[in-house]
Amino acid sequence: AQSVTQLDSHVSVSEGTPVLLRCNYSSSYSPSLFWYVQHPNKGLQLLLKYTSAATLVKGINGFEAEFKKSETSFHLTKPSAHMSDAAEYFCVVFGSARQLTFGSGTQLTVLP
Amino acid sequence: KAGVTQTPRYLIKTRGQQVTLSCSPISGHRSVSWYQQTPGQGLQFLFEYFSETQRNKGNFPGRFSGRQFSNSRSEMNVSTLELGDSALYLCASSPGTTSYNEQFFGPGTRLTVL
Repeated sequence: AQSVTQLDSHVSVSEGTPVLLRCNYSSSYSPSLFWYVQHPNKGLQLLLKYTSAATLVKGINGFEAEFKKSETSFHLTKPSAHMSDAAEYFCVVFGSARQLTFGSGTQLTVLP
Repeated sequence: KAGVTQTPRYLIKTRGQQVTLSCSPISGHRSVSWYQQTPGQGLQFLFEYFSETQRNKGNFPGRFSGRQFSNSRSEMNVSTLELGDSALYLCASSPGTTSYNEQFFGPGTRLTVL
């Protein structure tokens, strides 16, 4: 079985401050993990992916995530938020079920 | 390369009707997956097709079906529509040649069932 838990449904940060979106996963198979972003009325866009290479993964737009097997976590971070980062973010696992399983999403609000 | 396209973008149907949604993958991609997105259930996997064969299936009733054509274009069909089928239906394509490839998503079809 595989599952993903996004620990915060909403996160608000001020522009220029760090972003932390938390994700824990469960998989009985060595997983691949992803973060996708969805802007209003747009399709999902891949931010970054972990596929058992380096545990610190860098993605687009300054985002990065660290795979921590001991904590079964894959938190998404960005040093400095921009207004254009406001969107919904999904943590996704591809594991034992051989299909993508999405977390419930975290809505990121960036305050001016 | 052109991205994944889905038609139509918006649909309004009534309960009991059936609907067909279409997805054209990125050129050269042989795998097409379908997802349902609702506020209550989030994003859920429906099924995946690869080279005209269903390769994987999510936990949805038999009213939801799909197919893939030789040019990799895919359609999904929902019969006997229910109010709860109102959702954004997303299609994603990937090369599909290894156990996992990055999936590229289309903009979705917004289905409203009245």
